[in-house]
Amino acid sequence: AQSVTQLDSHVSVSEGTPVLLRCNYSSSYSPSLFWYVQHPNKGLQLLLKYTSAATLVKGINGFEAEFKKSETSFHLTKPSAHMSDAAEYFCVVSAHQAGTALIFGKGTTLSVSS
Amino acid sequence: DAGVTQSPTHLIKTRGQQVTLRCSPKSGHDTVSWYQQALGQGPQFIFQYYEEEERQRGNFPDRFSGHQFPNYSSELNVNALLLGDSALYLCASSLREADTQYFGPGTRLTVL
Repeated sequence: AQSVTQLDSHVSVSEGTPVLLRCNYSSSYSPSLFWYVQHPNKGLQLLLKYTSAATLVKGINGFEAEFKKSETSFHLTKPSAHMSDAAEYFCVVSAHQAGTALIFGKGTTLSVSS
Repeated sequence: DAGVTQSPTHLIKTRGQQVTLRCSPKSGHDTVSWYQQALGQGPQFIFQYYEEEERQRGNFPDRFSGHQFPNYSSELNVNALLLGDSALYLCASSLREADTQYFGPGTRLTVL
């Protein structure tokens, strides 16, 4: 069975400082891993996706994530936070099979102060 | 290129009623999945439709049912509404052979 654990329910940073959102996963198969972002009262937007092609994945808006199999981690980072990054972030796992449901973590709320 | 669209945006129902939510997938996609997101929680998978059949189902009761039409659009039906069904219902579309899902803006259902 697949699962994800987001290690922080809330992260607060100042504008211009680095962002780190932590995620550990569990999967019986070779997983696909995703990060999605949800702004208030909005749907989910795909930030980036890992599918074993490269361990360091670059996404939109300056975000990137590194897949570490030995640590079963897939942490999301950004060098410099912007006010517009304030949102809910979800780490997601999918078994590497066609048509498989996505399993979401509980989410991390990112707050950015000026 | 239109993304995933959902209707209606908001809906208010009373306990015991029935509701139908609608979803049109992103152009070129053939698979539709539905998720329920309760307030302050991550989305939970309800079911997935491909070729007009339910292919996979999450841990939801039979009160939740769906349909997919030949044009790949989909409906989610919920019967005998409970207060606990109040949530944001998200539709996602994908290609059958890929696992990247693209989400619509959701339908906010309030059950009174």
